[in-house]
Amino acid sequence: TQLLEQSPQFLSIQEGENLTVYCNSSSVFSSLQWYRQEPGEGPVLLVTVVTGGEVKKLKRLTFQFGDARKDSSLHITAAQPGDTGLYLCAGAGGGGADGLTFGKGTHLIIQP
Amino acid sequence: GAVVSQHPSWVICKSGTSVKIECRSLDFQATTMFWYRQFPKQSLMLMATSNEGSKATYEQGVEKDKFLINHASLTLSTLTVTSAHPEDSSFYICSANSYWAGSYNEQFFGPGTRLTVL
Repeated sequence: TQLLEQSPQFLSIQEGENLTVYCNSSSVFSSLQWYRQEPGEGPVLLVTVVTGGEVKKLKRLTFQFGDARKDSSLHITAAQPGDTGLYLCAGAGGGGADGLTFGKGTHLIIQP
Repeated sequence: GAVVSQHPSWVICKSGTSVKIECRSLDFQATTMFWYRQFPKQSLMLMATSNEGSKATYEQGVEKDKFLINHASLTLSTLTVTSAHPEDSSFYICSANSYWAGSYNEQFFGPGTRLTVL
């Protein structure tokens, strides 16, 4: 069974600060995805990383996939109240029809 | 593109009744759809993988006779919670694979269905 450890579980910071969320596993994933979920809604895909060492940027969000494809990080620069939400990492196995293994999520609150 | 819908958005039912939840891919064909369950303040847990025209594959600990899945077409999968009990109250979310050249098992999620069993 593949497991994803996501940390921190809860994070509350002031507007303008930077933060990093980590997603770690002992298993190798063919790809890893980051989602953001608002209360009462389904997760929305932010990014997919596939290649070991890959870095992708989405405005103030920077996503990195570890060289061994076992871990990933999400870094937010100059956080804004609109960044508040639940961030989920999810790993996909080698098979195309595999369901995703989700981390427990990071509840992020950005205070104005 | 890659929009997934769910119906209903929320449902309240009495204990012992059955509830059907629909998941539709609106603008693409999904060979595989997935059903997840999410309890308050927790992450998503995969319940089953639904393949068009074949039996669903259930994760360990998920009762296939209680959670009936039918994937009748490439755009529709249904989850029926049979003889629902209060402990089945949860947020049920479906997702669908959207494959095209260069994509990697990207799943697009529906908006979820909130089930409350009284």
